[in-house]
Amino acid sequence: NAGVTQTPKFRVLKTGQSMTLLCAQDMNHEYMYWYRQDPGMGLRLIHYSVGEGTTAKGEVPDGYNVSRLKKQNFLLGLESAAPSQTSVYFCASSYSGQVSPYNEQFFGPGTRLTVL
Amino acid sequence: AQSVAQPEDQVNVAEGNPLTVKCTYSVSGNPYLFWYVQYPNRGLQFLLKYITGDNLVKGSYGFEAEFNKSQTSFHLKKPSALVSDSALYFCAVRDMNSGYSTLTFGKGTMLLVSP
Repeated sequence: NAGVTQTPKFRVLKTGQSMTLLCAQDMNHEYMYWYRQDPGMGLRLIHYSVGEGTTAKGEVPDGYNVSRLKKQNFLLGLESAAPSQTSVYFCASSYSGQVSPYNEQFFGPGTRLTVL
Repeated sequence: AQSVAQPEDQVNVAEGNPLTVKCTYSVSGNPYLFWYVQYPNRGLQFLLKYITGDNLVKGSYGFEAEFNKSQTSFHLKKPSALVSDSALYFCAVRDMNSGYSTLTFGKGTMLLVSP
């Protein structure tokens, strides 16, 4: 049981380049999330998904797109990277959006992205 | 809207002493409250949560947290700190009346436990 995995672990981009971050979970969770973590800012929600085929905007969605074609995968795309997108990106998943004993979020190990 | 504040950027404590990491929240309805810990170069790990019931919640690694509705606080505590507890701690809140399960995180508090 791998939990939540993220690919890649590290990436360096030049301004204007594009890339996709992959998140996968093997816990059959309905909800998945993408956060970015910046020093002194805590975690900020970029986009989230409440189920296969659905996505929604979080607190800081500009410059990012997401897709949830399969329940176990949640992709985060940067179409034209900017230096302001230099950050550590975390994916998370949770069992259900409703209150249940299982609704804490499980986090992946993170992707460290640098945009030059 | 929901928000959470962690008033201390860093907490320093000697090993063996009790520790407290503070958290206050704001929600329009009743809160669900969580504490997560992040070790260097790792993702966040769930420590404990308050949904309803007893105001004192016990979690992993000997941590506990006290929910205080009148003070809108959910402080993290441990009776005897270990050097291995040194990490970044995040408080998070969800409004029970919100229609979706997104959490709002605080900015984090770095806990440093000295030998």
